[in-house]
Amino acid sequence: KQEVTQIPAALSVPEGENLVLNCSFTDSAIYNLQWFRQDPGKGLTSLLLIQSSQREQTSGRLNASLDKSSGRSTLYIAASQPGDSATYLCAVGANTNAGKSTFGDGTTLTVKP
Amino acid sequence: GAVVSQHPSWVICKSGTSVKIECRSLDFQATTMFWYRQFPKQSLMLMATSNEGSKATYEQGVEKDKFLINHASLTLSTLTVTSAHPEDSSFYICSARETPRGYTFGSGTRLTVV
Repeated sequence: KQEVTQIPAALSVPEGENLVLNCSFTDSAIYNLQWFRQDPGKGLTSLLLIQSSQREQTSGRLNASLDKSSGRSTLYIAASQPGDSATYLCAVGANTNAGKSTFGDGTTLTVKP
Repeated sequence: GAVVSQHPSWVICKSGTSVKIECRSLDFQATTMFWYRQFPKQSLMLMATSNEGSKATYEQGVEKDKFLINHASLTLSTLTVTSAHPEDSSFYICSARETPRGYTFGSGTRLTVV
């Protein structure tokens, strides 16, 4: 059974700082990994999707990496802004029964002005 | 790219009533869709797998008579929360399988039962 862990559970940084969020998973036989953003009381916004054959994806100030062999992914946020404050979730897509995802508990990020 | 539309994005209903949530794949056909639920301050958990033209497969502990899933076409799956109670208040989200990317998520529905 896939287990997904996100560390830290919460993170507070001053504006402008670069930061890294971590996601680890126990079963390396994954189909893909996706990072989401969730604002309080709102839905999910997909940030980056990494296929199992890829090592990283970039979008603007965001960069996500994937190391399947070690069961780890990181989300790097450059030059953080107060608007980046949200909960960040990673979801691992199963290689079997493809489409079923296992979510981590999320990291709640606060960027202070 | 693949888009999944989920409606409504939020809904408030009275206790005892039923609420239907729709999940549509807009530009692709999805034989399989997944429904997730998020309790406050917890992670998203898979509730059921919706298969077009057949019965849904529910995860352990999910009441199939309470959470009715219908996947009548290749582009639409619905989740109906029957006789809703305050403890059913939650965030529900669907995803659809789209080859070869894998899956695409809807934006979610926040249900509040009063």
